[in-house]
Amino acid sequence: QKEVEQNSGPLSVPEGAIASLNCTYSDRGSQSFFWYRQYSGKSPELIMFIYSNGDKEDGRFTAQLNKASQYVSLLIRDSQPSDSATYLCATITVISGGGADGLTFGKGTHLIIQP
Amino acid sequence: GAGVSQSPSNKVTEKGKDVELRCDPISGHTALYWYRQSLGQGLEFLIYFQGNSAPDKSGLPSDRFSAERTGGSVSTLTIQRTQQEDSAVYLCASSLWENEQFFGPGTRLTVL
Repeated sequence: QKEVEQNSGPLSVPEGAIASLNCTYSDRGSQSFFWYRQYSGKSPELIMFIYSNGDKEDGRFTAQLNKASQYVSLLIRDSQPSDSATYLCATITVISGGGADGLTFGKGTHLIIQP
Repeated sequence: GAGVSQSPSNKVTEKGKDVELRCDPISGHTALYWYRQSLGQGLEFLIYFQGNSAPDKSGLPSDRFSAERTGGSVSTLTIQRTQQEDSAVYLCASSLWENEQFFGPGTRLTVL
């Protein structure tokens, strides 16, 4: 059973600070890792993806992956009130032969940026 | 460019009726996925298409659920004899091969 674990929160961060969101996964076969943002009543929106160990930066967002520890994180620098949302961590396993399984999602961390 | 579209956006039906949900993926995307999100629950993977074929249907909750994709584009998810526990938001996503998945706005299904 593939599992992705996230702290449900809420995680409250003051405006301008760094928000740190964490995720662990159980399937060592997971090869790709994604962070989605979901506003209430809306569908998930892809923010970041990472495939290799280390850090990947995109604007105010940095994704970090440690496959040995089965740990993925998302850092949001200079947090803004508009960043308040639920952040979903997801993994995918590529099946031999070129196929892929669906995304396995965590239940999400509710982030609140306090003005 | 146009994103993933889904219709209807909302569907209210009576228990026991059949419903059909439609997904139109991003043009050129070869892979298409169906998920559902129940109130307070995480996203649950249902089925995946690469082209017109669905290699793994084991994620479908019961044999009342079926899905098809024709012409490598539009997909329909059909739920027969709907039950109240089928009430959820049904989300479709598409991707270019097995890369990043982009979601449509979803169909909110309410079974009375």
